[in-house]
Amino acid sequence: ILNVEQSPQSLHVQEGDSTNFTCSFPSSNFYALHWYRWETAKSPEALFVMTLNGDEKKKGRISATLNTKEGYSYLYIKGSQPEDSATYLCAFITRGSQGNLIFGKGTKLSVKP
Amino acid sequence: DSGVTQTPKHLITATGQRVTLRCSPRSGDLSVYWYQQSLDQGLQFLIQYYNGEERAKGNILERFSAQQFPDLHSELNLSSLELGDSALYFCASSQEGEAAINEQFFGPGTRLTVL
Repeated sequence: ILNVEQSPQSLHVQEGDSTNFTCSFPSSNFYALHWYRWETAKSPEALFVMTLNGDEKKKGRISATLNTKEGYSYLYIKGSQPEDSATYLCAFITRGSQGNLIFGKGTKLSVKP
Repeated sequence: DSGVTQTPKHLITATGQRVTLRCSPRSGDLSVYWYQQSLDQGLQFLIQYYNGEERAKGNILERFSAQQFPDLHSELNLSSLELGDSALYFCASSQEGEAAINEQFFGPGTRLTVL
């Protein structure tokens, strides 16, 4: 059974702190990794789609890196703001799985003003 | 607002019943995906349609079925409902059929409660 692990499960930081969390996935047959941001009472919103080993993507204060050989991705948030409070989900897909995105349970981030 | 719409927002029904959830993708998107999120579970992929044809199947029960119509809207049919089917059901859409490399745009979800 293919599994995606995200850590930590939850995180509480102060406004202005920088933070990062991890997504671990099986490295064999890797095809792509997605990061989503999910605010309470809203729907998941795509942040990044990453496919290549060594990929680094950035959107504002949020960035992500990918290591497909060792099976992990890091999401970084620089200078956290209260509006960054959300659950951050990663999902990966293996080659040949025909669209089956496997999601982790997410890291819930709370940023205190 | 992602541009994906789902109806109804909430649905309360009884065990043994059948319900239909509806999804309209973003304008121009050809792919529709259905996901289920139960309590304490991550998002579970159910099924994908691309331009009217089934493209990929995940952990979808035999009691569940879906279709995508010529106007590209999709319906998820859940029958012989059980208590364990209570969940948040999301629809997502993407422009192309290749789920791996296309970001998906999620609708607001339908909260199904089976009593």
